[in-house]
Amino acid sequence: DAGITQSPRHKVTETGTPVTLRCHQTENHRYMYWYRQDPGHGLRLIHYSYGVKDTDKGEVSDGYSVSRSKTEDFLLTLESATSSQTSVYFCAIREGGMNTGELFFGEGSRLTVL
Amino acid sequence: AQTVTQSQPEMSVQEAETVTLSCTYDTSESNYYLFWYKQPPSRQMILVIRQEAYKQQNATENRFSVNFQKAAKSFSLKISDSQLGDTAMYFCAFRNGGSQGNLIFGKGTKLSVKP
Repeated sequence: DAGITQSPRHKVTETGTPVTLRCHQTENHRYMYWYRQDPGHGLRLIHYSYGVKDTDKGEVSDGYSVSRSKTEDFLLTLESATSSQTSVYFCAIREGGMNTGELFFGEGSRLTVL
Repeated sequence: AQTVTQSQPEMSVQEAETVTLSCTYDTSESNYYLFWYKQPPSRQMILVIRQEAYKQQNATENRFSVNFQKAAKSFSLKISDSQLGDTAMYFCAFRNGGSQGNLIFGKGTKLSVKP
């Protein structure tokens, strides 16, 4: 158990509303990641963080922002949700060192944008 | 850019039989890591097995083993004595060594184990 909690687990919202997903970890891991999963696309990286206030973009970052004000929390924000952002969102942490660590995932958050 | 290709969108196997899932990747790096993740209907992503590119020996975890062909850039997963609980989506993933650690995933193979 990598100690990762995502909230909310399910959310339905309307187009144009802001949405924030939270990822919380209990084991002080430096690296955290947000992925989205869509049928036919596997998992694609949105943003990642390599420390407090240190973040970078992934493959599909448009329309998303992130923040990490403390080690244990990594927030993903959709400033104005669109139907194309309907997806399952996974947070992950990396265990181990720079050259050996593998990712462990939270249970996912299903977001539906109407 | 690195890419990961899983050419089998769906597969099925009889219980107790053996099945092999294919994965190919493209990279110019020499130091990297490969992974297989399992995603059952519960949606949880579960690490099945990992392989370091510098290791010639194929990784094995109980009924799961890989056939790592570095020159061919191939990384297949073999599941022996298939069980009903192996029914899941399986994702192949790649990571550069020494990078920020993010994984690049294939699109997945849906495996159904039939009784």
